[in-house]
Amino acid sequence: AQSVAQPEDQVNVAEGNPLTVKCTYSVSGNPYLFWYVQYPNRGLQFLLKYITGDNLVKGSYGFEAEFNKSQTSFHLKKPSALVSDSALYFCAVRAPESSASKIIFGSGTRLSIRP
Amino acid sequence: NAGVMQNPRHLVRRRGQEARLRCSPMKGHSHVYWYRQLPEEGLKFMVYLQKENIIDESGMPKERFSAEFPKEGPSILRIQQVVRGDSAAYFCASSPQGAAGANVLTFGAGSRLTVL
Repeated sequence: AQSVAQPEDQVNVAEGNPLTVKCTYSVSGNPYLFWYVQYPNRGLQFLLKYITGDNLVKGSYGFEAEFNKSQTSFHLKKPSALVSDSALYFCAVRAPESSASKIIFGSGTRLSIRP
Repeated sequence: NAGVMQNPRHLVRRRGQEARLRCSPMKGHSHVYWYRQLPEEGLKFMVYLQKENIIDESGMPKERFSAEFPKEGPSILRIQQVVRGDSAAYFCASSPQGAAGANVLTFGAGSRLTVL
């Protein structure tokens, strides 16, 4: 069975500092991995995805994520945080063997950027 | 392109009543997913549907909950005899057909159900 874990409920970073939001996954075969962001009272918005190819994936708003197969991780990163990055971030995984497989989301990490 | 439309945005029901949540996917999308988000918690998968077909309902409670995605019209998530524990935000997402595994989900703004 596929699963995804976000070990930190909350991450606090000062504006201008680099940020990392952690994600590990478990799935048979090569995974499809995603990051989404949720602002208050809104639906989730897509940030980036890893399907195949380069392990470093670049996405929206200056975010990037690194796929590490040996550590089964897909951590979200940004070199310099902005106050406007404060939101709830979700990692998601899908097993690619079947087009009918569902997408599973982690429990979310609340990112708080202080001025 | 209006995106994924969910209605109602807010729904209040008393215990024992029925709740119906509707989701119109993005134009051209034929896959619909429903997720539930409890306060201060993550997204829990409920059900994955294609037109006239339930693909995976492993996340649906065995009783009181049902979902459909008819040939015409929106997808409906139906909760019968609601209880206070059903209070949550229910999100619908859609994706296009083909290469489904790699496709990004487009989410609606959610329907917030409050059970009194």
